Amino acid sequence: SQKIEQNSEALNIQEGKTATLTCNYTNYSPAYLQWYRQDPGRGPVFLLLIRENEKEKRKERLKVTFDTTLKQSLFHITASQPADSATYLCALGTGGGNKLTFGTGTQLKVEL
Amino acid sequence: GAVVSQHPSWVICKSGTSVKIECRSLDFQATTMFWYRQFPKQSLMLMATSNEGSKATYEQGVEKDKFLINHASLTLSTLTVTSAHPEDSSFYICSARVRDREIGEQYFGPGTRLTVT
Repeated sequence: SQKIEQNSEALNIQEGKTATLTCNYTNYSPAYLQWYRQDPGRGPVFLLLIRENEKEKRKERLKVTFDTTLKQSLFHITASQPADSATYLCALGTGGGNKLTFGTGTQLKVEL
Repeated sequence: GAVVSQHPSWVICKSGTSVKIECRSLDFQATTMFWYRQFPKQSLMLMATSNEGSKATYEQGVEKDKFLINHASLTLSTLTVTSAHPEDSSFYICSARVRDREIGEQYFGPGTRLTVT
């Protein structure tokens, strides 16, 4: 069956450290993968998109890697801040029509 | 840019009534809009894809007669939950794809919390 798995447990890290979140998938062949941030009671906010033929992408303190052999994406936030605390969702671009299939998300808490 | 609004942000209705939720792209034209629902501590589940001027495409298991979608213009899509029941209580979120923007990139509205009593 098709699955998109993210760490279900919350990730707690200290301010200034690098947070690394994982997204693993099975039985998908995504054309691209995206990461979103979601705050409680709000809609997701787009962060980064990486295509299947790209290995890595960066945007300011964010870095995403995409390994289609391992079927895994890693999402890094460097120099993390308490304001980075949120739930982070990965989403696969699957099928036609630019549909997205979301993982369950990982809650990140950055502590002082 | 790329702002999506939803109205209302929350609504409480009685069982058996219908509720309409609006999704607007404020500063861009959206060729395609998507409707999702999200239960507490769960992921977003795609309900339907809405293209301007054509019928919506519903995901498997979503009742099209219960969740009516209309995409009348390039900036407005509506979701009507008909004959709502308590099990329809959820967080409904729309998103829009920007015309001519990078493939797959979607911008989400702030969501609508529906509670059916």
